[in-house]
Amino acid sequence: GQQLNQSPQSMFIQEGEDVSMNCTSSSIFNTWLWYKQDPGEGPVLLIALYKAGELTSNGRLTAQFGITRKDSFLNISASIPSDVGIYFCAGPTTSGNTPLVFGKGTRLSVIA
Amino acid sequence: NAGVTQTPKFQVLKTGQSMTLQCAQDMNHEYMSWYRQDPGMGLRLIHYSVGAGITDQGEVPNGYNVSRSTTEDFPLRLLSAAPSQTSVYFCASSYSHSYEQYFGPGTRLTVT
Repeated sequence: GQQLNQSPQSMFIQEGEDVSMNCTSSSIFNTWLWYKQDPGEGPVLLIALYKAGELTSNGRLTAQFGITRKDSFLNISASIPSDVGIYFCAGPTTSGNTPLVFGKGTRLSVIA
Repeated sequence: NAGVTQTPKFQVLKTGQSMTLQCAQDMNHEYMSWYRQDPGMGLRLIHYSVGAGITDQGEVPNGYNVSRSTTEDFPLRLLSAAPSQTSVYFCASSYSHSYEQYFGPGTRLTVT
């Protein structure tokens, strides 16, 4: 089945630094979603991307839908302690009303 | 709106016991799903439903049963709990025309 590969698996950064993470697949995706999971909570949707090449921002977060439609990127600028958590990429397995497949996540730790 | 609610928050079972994890949403979403989250494995789909009376299997359905008698509720039944089912379980929902799923707070299950 379709798989999403996220990298890095984990990262430790200093407060104030910028963060980049990515998600790749061997299959084409028509939609990319980025979620954040705070410790002990359920994932929360951050950004949804629907078009190849699309660049969308949500505050300090910016995500891009790769031109090949096989990858997506998430950047966080000027990180703060509350950015700590696990970031997941996800996409529908096929077009239409179908389940999402999730990457294994990037665990972000911010050192104050 | 309460969004997606899950009960219980925590549960400990002995091997062989059965139980039902409850999930409810008040957003009139057609699509509902159950995931399990294990360390380093991301979110894996157990079962999903595209509407009342319709359910289908996900990636890891063995040992779990679901039904969808109403739009609002989507309970997950463990028929005979096994230690391998120790995990955190998340329920999610969305409109049928959207991939943007909303997650509940999770149920942490331990099977001894």
